[in-house]
Amino acid sequence: ETGVTQTPRHLVMGMTNKKSLKCEQHLGHNAMYWYKQSAKKPLELMFVYSLEERVENNSVPSRFSPECPNSSHLFLHLHTLQPEDSALYLCASSQVTNRGSAEAFFGQGTRLTVV
Amino acid sequence: AQSVAQPEDQVNVAEGNPLTVKCTYSVSGNPYLFWYVQYPNRGLQFLLKYITGDNLVKGSYGFEAEFNKSQTSFHLKKPSALVSDSALYFCAVSGPGMDSNYQLIWGAGTKLIIKP
Repeated sequence: ETGVTQTPRHLVMGMTNKKSLKCEQHLGHNAMYWYKQSAKKPLELMFVYSLEERVENNSVPSRFSPECPNSSHLFLHLHTLQPEDSALYLCASSQVTNRGSAEAFFGQGTRLTVV
Repeated sequence: AQSVAQPEDQVNVAEGNPLTVKCTYSVSGNPYLFWYVQYPNRGLQFLLKYITGDNLVKGSYGFEAEFNKSQTSFHLKKPSALVSDSALYFCAVSGPGMDSNYQLIWGAGTKLIIKP
């Protein structure tokens, strides 16, 4: 148990569906992240939130829409996805200071399959 | 450009033998260095970190890593490998010298296979 909880663990959705991924951290961290992990590709950072404000958005298609209602919760809203969006989606949190980020703690991930 | 390299896609080690998973980085300043492990269909688990101080850092599950500033390396080691150590290992860098305080640069990962 890392203190970061993701739900659901598995999700199968059609290309016309709308679904949301949820992440919750119980570590008191001030930054939360969404990563995409595809087979045989490096980890891709999608979004970073610091205290509910988006601080980074790495050219992610608009069919992915993040939401951070408070410093403990992070959502990733999904709509009209493509089969190539099938991947493991990882949420993480860390404590960031003006010297940089401490170690990140990850949730178990959501295995997303788009059919 | 800032980068982290894990030069081996896969490392094969016999159970009981020592293992090394390599990581080198190209970052200015004095970065923070991390190792993570990932088991199939799971999230990444933090293993150990170097911030400052002793160059040899000890972490979870008997792993350790040696920081070498002159070689800009942070290799992960374990004296005696277990079959259960088989997993995907990631090296990461953050801290002073990054473009952003939130930035974490990740290596591509090394698959470690321990054979009985």
